[in-house]
Amino acid sequence: SQQGEEDPQALSIQEGENATMNCSYKTSINNLQWYRQNSGRGLVHLILIRSNEREKHSGRLRVTLDTSKKSSSLLITASRAADTASYFCATVQPLYSGAGSYQLTFGKGTKLSVIP
Amino acid sequence: DSGVTQTPKHLITATGQRVTLRCSPRSGDLSVYWYQQSLDQGLQFLIQYYNGEERAKGNILERFSAQQFPDLHSELNLSSLELGDSALYFCASSVGDWAPYEQYFGPGTRLTVT
Repeated sequence: SQQGEEDPQALSIQEGENATMNCSYKTSINNLQWYRQNSGRGLVHLILIRSNEREKHSGRLRVTLDTSKKSSSLLITASRAADTASYFCATVQPLYSGAGSYQLTFGKGTKLSVIP
Repeated sequence: DSGVTQTPKHLITATGQRVTLRCSPRSGDLSVYWYQQSLDQGLQFLIQYYNGEERAKGNILERFSAQQFPDLHSELNLSSLELGDSALYFCASSVGDWAPYEQYFGPGTRLTVT
């Protein structure tokens, strides 16, 4: 089942503009991660934010987390054509209560197109 | 390049057949995860192995099975294949034994069932 839901489903911007993608989730989380996937290829880990963190930066990426609203956002500043990809948020969910097993649950992604 | 390798890249087979997908984790990673990505279901977690033992099980069908060998490579076996099994299958690896660690994904195996 999908836990994270990204919004928008698709986003098209000009090179140099900022891109913002949002993720909402339903249950409490341990951490939230963002991944990028170029068409038909493997996912690349971008950033991990823990449930007790509110904001995190990595290069041109800024991630925020609001656990009260169960939402996160990914901001890519000064976008480049090479940023064209699908972006997924993934939340860490326990599989069985008390068993210490977890899984990453992915949303369906935001497809970002950066036009040169 | 994530350091995770998967073979084969593409696989075309007929319904009812059985296939084996192979994954080698990054050097030093003990956990291997398998995922299925399809257009309608998105990216679904199937199963995790840690240091040779099954660690977590997700939405894996009974027709599917996996194992991790002493050299830490892993195989995902899919049997009695159906058209709906056509998908991209990814493996990922991480250093630790639970999902909250960041995961490194392989390039995937595209399975087409005809």
